[in-house]
Order: sequence, then structure tokens, then C-alpha cells
Amino acid sequence: EDKVVQSPLSLVVHEGDTVTLNCSYEVTNFRSLLWYKQEKKAPTFLFMLTSSGIEKKSGRLSSILDKKELFSILNITATQTGDSAVYLCAVVSDKIIFGKGTRLHILP
Amino acid sequence: NAGVTQTPKFQVLKTGQSMTLQCAQDMNHEYMSWYRQDPGMGLRLIHYSVGAGITDQGEVPNGYNVSRSTTEDFPLRLLSAAPSQTSVYFCASSLLGTGNGYTFGSGTRLTVV
Repeated sequence: EDKVVQSPLSLVVHEGDTVTLNCSYEVTNFRSLLWYKQEKKAPTFLFMLTSSGIEKKSGRLSSILDKKELFSILNITATQTGDSAVYLCAVVSDKIIFGKGTRLHILP
Repeated sequence: NAGVTQTPKFQVLKTGQSMTLQCAQDMNHEYMSWYRQDPGMGLRLIHYSVGAGITDQGEVPNGYNVSRSTTEDFPLRLLSAAPSQTSVYFCASSLLGTGNGYTFGSGTRLTVV
């Protein structure tokens, strides 16, 4: 059975801190891994990762995939209160399934 | 270009009633899916489709039916609503393959009383 596990489930840090969110997976016929940010509405796309070891970067956010060890990390540096959200990881095989998400809260 | 359109945005049902949540996309995406989102549970896959005439079950299919008669539309039917189906429902679509451009609708908040 396909499985996506995110950790931690919840995280509280102070503004300016750096955070690392984890996503591990077990799927057959892996095609890609997706990261999303969700505030009060629908998830918004952050990254799509298909190849191991190639970092994707967007401003203070970056992500990398390890297809041998079956995990990905999402890093956020110099966090701001606007980064407070649920971060969702999804794995694409013959279907797209999500982990339970990491709820990140940034204290001012 | 409307993207993924979900209707209605809000709905209250009585236990035992039936209803259909609508989802339409205008991006010619082959892959379409329905999720439900409950507190602390992430997005759980209900049903998905890889093309017109093809549907398959996801992680939590019980109590829900789908059909895919056209590429554009993927309605979700609740045959006999139960309070356990109170949730926020999202439809999403993408091209087949890597999930590139996986796009979500705005969601439907359903309450079953």
C-alpha cells in the first residue's frame, strides 16, 4: 500500500529561525514528489521534484529529493509570520496521495 | 482560463440525503481526483480518474461514487449522506505523468446534520 509520512506533524518556531520539514514515502512506480503550502483555502504549489540530489529553490524556500532513501526535505530559512501554514507533501505514482501535513506556526 | 471549478462552495445536508459535488476543468487534463480534508488528516484520496471512462478508488472510497463521461467533468456523488462525511472536499487535476501543474479547485465545505 502506498504511503506518505510527514514529520513533524506540528512545529512552532520564532521568526528568523530556519526549519526543515520531512517527507518519506513508499510507493510503487514513483514519478515525482510535490510540495504544497496551505493556508485557509486550497493548497498552493511550491515545488515538483523528480530527480535525486537536485535542489529546487524559490526565495527562502528550498527542497531536495533522495530517491535512494525515499525522502524529501523542505527548508525554510529566515522564517516570517507569513510562512505560518500547513505544508503538504504528495507523491505521484499512478495516483497522487498526500501525507498528513506539517502545521508550522511562526511566532513574532 | 477558469482552471478547476468546484460547486457548490458550501452545502448543508440532512442525514440520508443525496447530492452531487461538481468539478470541471478546462485545461484538457487527463488526471482528475477528489480528496476530503479533515482536521489533522491531510488530504485523503477518495476517487481518481486517468481519463474519460476510467475511474478508480483511492484511500477512502466508501460512501462515494464518481463517473468520468467527459475529459472536463468529474462529479462526486454522495448516495446517502452521513455525519461522518462532514468535511472539506477538494477536486484537483493535472496532465498524466509527473503531476506537473496539479491544480486544485477552491473546495466545498459540506456539513451533514
